[in-house]
Amino acid sequence: QKEVEQNSGPLSVPEGAIASLNCTYSDRGSQSFFWYRQYSGKSPELIMSIYSNGDKEDGRFTAQLNKASQYVSLLIRDSQPSDSATYLCAPYRKNAGNMLTFGGGTRLMVKP
Amino acid sequence: EADIYQTPRYLVIGTGKKITLECSQTMGHDKMYWYQQDPGMELHLIHYSYGVNSTEKGDLSSESTVSRIRTEHFPLTLESARPSHTSQYLCASGRHGITEAFFGQGTRLTVV
Repeated sequence: QKEVEQNSGPLSVPEGAIASLNCTYSDRGSQSFFWYRQYSGKSPELIMSIYSNGDKEDGRFTAQLNKASQYVSLLIRDSQPSDSATYLCAPYRKNAGNMLTFGGGTRLMVKP
Repeated sequence: EADIYQTPRYLVIGTGKKITLECSQTMGHDKMYWYQQDPGMELHLIHYSYGVNSTEKGDLSSESTVSRIRTEHFPLTLESARPSHTSQYLCASGRHGITEAFFGQGTRLTVV
């Protein structure tokens, strides 16, 4: 079992819709969680962080965390074609060398 | 946000050559990472460092080596490049504690 699981996609949504990206992780010692956006050929860019159970909103982005279910998600409201990218989930694993472990990413395509 | 720089951005080199990929950050971050990523594939951690004179191997076995003599500098060296080393190499840094990492622009290496 991979440490971090994401559906590779592509997830296709129409412009203006809500995109829902999901991530499960296996290490219960994970304490904080980050979402990165990576455009093709570019480096990952941090877009959201979440540290406690519940929701965290930042503009059109909402991160949701459920540590009991070992599940974290990212919602993108009013999706735009510029949101088309790969979204990487990254738990911070304190019990595994204090490192970020990245999922394989979900490719999102927002169609005009 | 960190200022983190990687040089060169692109490198084409012959088999058997020794190469060093440079990574520098100006924010005084304790933690630095090297990731390897093939096109369309996931990120793999190959080396990380918690501070000066601290280096560890990551999840992905790599023939490269790293050093951390100064806080701001974390170079990666391949003693004898092979075509199998062709990939994108991404450097990242982060503050002490359970924090996010910020990425450089990457070095795209091609070994011919």
